[in-house]
Amino acid sequence: DIQMTQSPSSLSASVGDRVTITCRASQSISSYLNWYQQKPGKAPNLLIYAASSLQSGVPSRFSGSGSGTDFTLTITSLQPEDFATYYCLQSYSTWTFGQGTKVEMK
Amino acid sequence: QVTLKESGPVLVKPTETLTLTCTVSGFSLSNVRMGVSWIRQPPGKALEWLAHIFSDGDKSYSPSLKSRLTISRDTSKSQVVLTMTNMDPVDTATYYCARLYCSRSSCYNQFDYWGQGTLVTISS
Repeated sequence: DIQMTQSPSSLSASVGDRVTITCRASQSISSYLNWYQQKPGKAPNLLIYAASSLQSGVPSRFSGSGSGTDFTLTITSLQPEDFATYYCLQSYSTWTFGQGTKVEMK
Repeated sequence: QVTLKESGPVLVKPTETLTLTCTVSGFSLSNVRMGVSWIRQPPGKALEWLAHIFSDGDKSYSPSLKSRLTISRDTSKSQVVLTMTNMDPVDTATYYCARLYCSRSSCYNQFDYWGQGTLVTISS
């Protein structure tokens, strides 16, 4: 099984801040890495697929990078609607989610 | 318009079998570039992938739950069914179905559309 280690588990930030979340795979997953945003009581929403491809309709302040085992989700200027929980998901060999990062208001 | 909707019991007793149905619209379960997975999320916890059925009918299961899970589909009804045996209170969770999508040029196995989820509580 491929394990995904996501960090941090939570962070406090202010509107306008640059936010970075990382995910590390237990083995190389090439670019089979996706990022999701989840708000309370809602289903996850796809932000980034193939490590760095922006899903249609997602604001350009979201970006992804990395390949192999180390990946990053960056929000360049945090907006009020971005306070949520973010998950990485490897899709190289079946599927495994990271443990999530809760982005809270400072 | 692509939609997925989960349905099933709200409350299940311990040791019973859970059966959930995902009814999809806006795409075909036989489309070679698509598939459907089941994913769950215990209250306040992370997402966990459970099972997947591919467009050709092939199936894949979470290794930790494989012995308890069965995924199937009825393409004529546009439905994907998940059964989970021997339910326990720790299986209390919101259960989601999600569509796997591959573009014409590449496939990174991402889930692009999700159902709203259905909360299943395991309690006597």
